[in-house]
Amino acid sequence: AQSVAQPEDQVNVAEGNPLTVKCTYSVSGNPYLFWYVQYPNRGLQFLLKYITGDNLVKGSYGFEAEFNKSQTSFHLKKPSALVSDSALYFCAVRDILTGGGNKLTFGTGTQLKVEL
Amino acid sequence: KAGVTQTPRYLIKTRGQQVTLSCSPISGHRSVSWYQQTPGQGLQFLFEYFSETQRNKGNFPGRFSGRQFSNSRSEMNVSTLELGDSALYLCASSLDDGQGGAEAFFGQGTRLTVV
Repeated sequence: AQSVAQPEDQVNVAEGNPLTVKCTYSVSGNPYLFWYVQYPNRGLQFLLKYITGDNLVKGSYGFEAEFNKSQTSFHLKKPSALVSDSALYFCAVRDILTGGGNKLTFGTGTQLKVEL
Repeated sequence: KAGVTQTPRYLIKTRGQQVTLSCSPISGHRSVSWYQQTPGQGLQFLFEYFSETQRNKGNFPGRFSGRQFSNSRSEMNVSTLELGDSALYLCASSLDDGQGGAEAFFGQGTRLTVV
């Protein structure tokens, strides 16, 4: 069975500082990994994905993520945080060996708070 | 291009009633998935439909059901509502590429409150 862990419920960072939101995964085969962001009372917005290729993936709004197969991690990063980045972030995995389909398994989410 | 549209945005129902939620995917997307989001359980997969067929199903009781129409629009139904069904129900559509690598696009959700 596939699973995702987001070890931090909340991450606090000062505006202008770099931010990291952690994610580790467990799958049977090769993972497809995704990051989504959720603002209050809204749906999820896609940020970026790793399918194959370069381990450093660049996405929307200046976010990037690094895929590390040996550590089974896919941490989300941004060089300089903005107050407007404050939101709930979800990591998700899709195991391509589960017989097809687009089922995503999500982590529990990390609340990012960026302060002035 | 219009995004994923979910209706209604808010619903209040009484225990024991049933409810139907609707989802219109992005044009051209044939895969529609449903998720339940609650503070206690987080985001949980309900089911996925592709070309009018249920392709995947999560671990939910039979009271939760869905269907997809020929135009890819989808509905989910919850019968005999329980207080614990109060949640944000999210619909997501994907351009299925056959490889599993396509990202899902989510609607704004339907907030269901069971009283």
